[in-house]
Amino acid sequence: GAGVSQTPSNKVTEKGKYVELRCDPISGHTALYWYRQSLGQGPEFLIYFQGTGAADDSGLPNDRFFAVRPEGSVSTLKIQRTERGDSAVYLCASSVTAGGGYTFGSGTRLTVV
Amino acid sequence: SQQGEEDPQALSIQEGENATMNCSYKTSINNLQWYRQNSGRGLVHLILIRSNEREKHSGRLRVTLDTSKNSSSLLITASRAADTASYFCATDAGYSTLTFGKGTMLLVSP
Repeated sequence: GAGVSQTPSNKVTEKGKYVELRCDPISGHTALYWYRQSLGQGPEFLIYFQGTGAADDSGLPNDRFFAVRPEGSVSTLKIQRTERGDSAVYLCASSVTAGGGYTFGSGTRLTVV
Repeated sequence: SQQGEEDPQALSIQEGENATMNCSYKTSINNLQWYRQNSGRGLVHLILIRSNEREKHSGRLRVTLDTSKNSSSLLITASRAADTASYFCATDAGYSTLTFGKGTMLLVSP
């Protein structure tokens, strides 16, 4: 596609539920990143994929968070047993290669009630 | 953790004035990038400056980098109301991921 697509744009879920957030990067971009942004803060790194593999998952806050990119294109961020503190905008970005400028999607605003 | 810190946190100017935002960072970098964000959603890449560069221009944007002081500045000349947004610096320390600051909120009044 022309840009990075994230779905859904908004998600409201109850505490304790499981959610999946999807990211469709720019075709041909090998690097894919997930970030999380809370109100008034800058984006915080969660995980980085190079192709199909997670090259760096050091930003995932705990084992409730998991992400996959099975075919090296679309990625899914999965959050189990959601907590109110997980509420944030989840941003996905891709780049042609690591080390260059990122193209961001519009984000998924997750609200846990 | 956030590597970069932007200064000021908020900036309010009139159309036609110049806006200067500063970024300080802690560790050595491969490159530094500036992004713009409208309405708290997706960020837009503005400019990338490498560690061996001192100044870069793109349209009305001018970025400087001083690696001896671990700092960068973003200058927007002849600002417009449409420049109203949050601006973030982000550093690449060679680990293939970017670390963002908390941002500067710029308000340009007509």
